[in-house]
Amino acid sequence: QKEVEQDPGPLSVPEGAIVSLNCTYSNSAFQYFMWYRQYSRKGPELLMYTYSSGNKEDGRFTAQVDKSSKYISLFIRDSQPSDSATYLCAMSARSNSGYALNFGKGTSLLVTP
Amino acid sequence: KAGVTQTPRYLIKTRGQQVTLSCSPISGHRSVSWYQQTPGQGLQFLFEYFSETQRNKGNFPGRFSGRQFSNSRSEMNVSTLELGDSALYLCASSLKVGATNEKLFFGSGTQLSVL
Repeated sequence: QKEVEQDPGPLSVPEGAIVSLNCTYSNSAFQYFMWYRQYSRKGPELLMYTYSSGNKEDGRFTAQVDKSSKYISLFIRDSQPSDSATYLCAMSARSNSGYALNFGKGTSLLVTP
Repeated sequence: KAGVTQTPRYLIKTRGQQVTLSCSPISGHRSVSWYQQTPGQGLQFLFEYFSETQRNKGNFPGRFSGRQFSNSRSEMNVSTLELGDSALYLCASSLKVGATNEKLFFGSGTQLSVL
């Protein structure tokens, strides 16, 4: 079992819908949580970065972390066709010897006009 | 400010050959990490370099190696290529490495196809 699990989708929603993307994890040492967006033939782009539990909002995007449940979410409000991409969750533990990100496999999102 | 630059964008090799991929980090960034992305396994960590030293290594065989130069540029080498090495190889840079996590910024990757 991978340390980070993410439903691959695909997820198809109409323009303007609220999108909910989720990941679960098993390593309780994870403290840093990120969401990346990846368009076809491009590298991942950092969307949201959260330390420990709680919510963080940035424009139409809200990231939530529930460490007690080992569950993180990304909400996209008023979704746009330009949001169509693969969304990857990533997380890591605190380390003094460098670090590695542990990624989910990504959820493919399609927003239709 | 220029982003992370990876060259080449595409590569086609045959089994048994070796390949070298190059990465130039964002100016001022001193840490470079490499990841392999495949449809089956997703993104997997290969290794991380800071100040020309490998700081962390993932679970990949010794055929995968890397290095970092004094200007923070990095190269990754894969020897004796196998069909399963076909993947998108991504380089990411960050400002520094320390006890506090740093945000990673990725390049567009090198798509390697092994025939």
